[in-house]
Amino acid sequence: KNQVEQSPQSLIILEGKNCTLQCNYTVSPFSNLRWYKQDTGRGPVSLTIMTFSENTKSNGRYTATLDADTKQSSLHITASQLSDSASYICVVSGDALNFGKGTSLLVTP
Amino acid sequence: DGGITQSPKYLFRKEGQNVTLSCEQNLNHDAMYWYRQDPGQGLRLIYYSQIVNDFQKGDIAEGYSVSREKKESFPLTVTSAQKNPTAFYLCASSVRGPRTSGNTDTQYFGPGTRLTVL
Repeated sequence: KNQVEQSPQSLIILEGKNCTLQCNYTVSPFSNLRWYKQDTGRGPVSLTIMTFSENTKSNGRYTATLDADTKQSSLHITASQLSDSASYICVVSGDALNFGKGTSLLVTP
Repeated sequence: DGGITQSPKYLFRKEGQNVTLSCEQNLNHDAMYWYRQDPGQGLRLIYYSQIVNDFQKGDIAEGYSVSREKKESFPLTVTSAQKNPTAFYLCASSVRGPRTSGNTDTQYFGPGTRLTVL
């Protein structure tokens, strides 16, 4: 069964600190992996997309990694800002799109 | 949110009533999708359309209906047959549909409609 598991479920960090979100998947076949940011009450917005051959992709303070052998991805946020408070969703493409449940991040002053 | 609009932002419905959620895109995308989002759960696919006048059921299509008469528009009707309709509904679009792109095209999401059944 195709599954996408994200951890932690929620996270609270101080402004300016770094954090890392995890995504483990069992999707097969594999096409690509995306990280989305979803602000409360809004639609998700794509942050990064990685294919099988890519192991790192950056978008400003967001850096995603992919280990296709262990089927793990991470999203690292550097020097967090209050505006980073959101839900971060991992989506793995195969025969269908497989959505994780998301990690809820709260950045506090 | 790109070029996708959803209306209304909030919608209240009495039990037993049908209600239609609007989704419009000006991105010239072929494919459009409807998802349902519940607290603590991942997005679940209701319906998708790869081309005008064509649509396919997703994982949770029961109690919902759609139409695709125009490329820009993909309205979703929540019928009285949907037993638990209260949720956040998201519309999305992509350049190509899954059968053409193999699910490789990025989906762009609208701002969502929160439906509450009273």
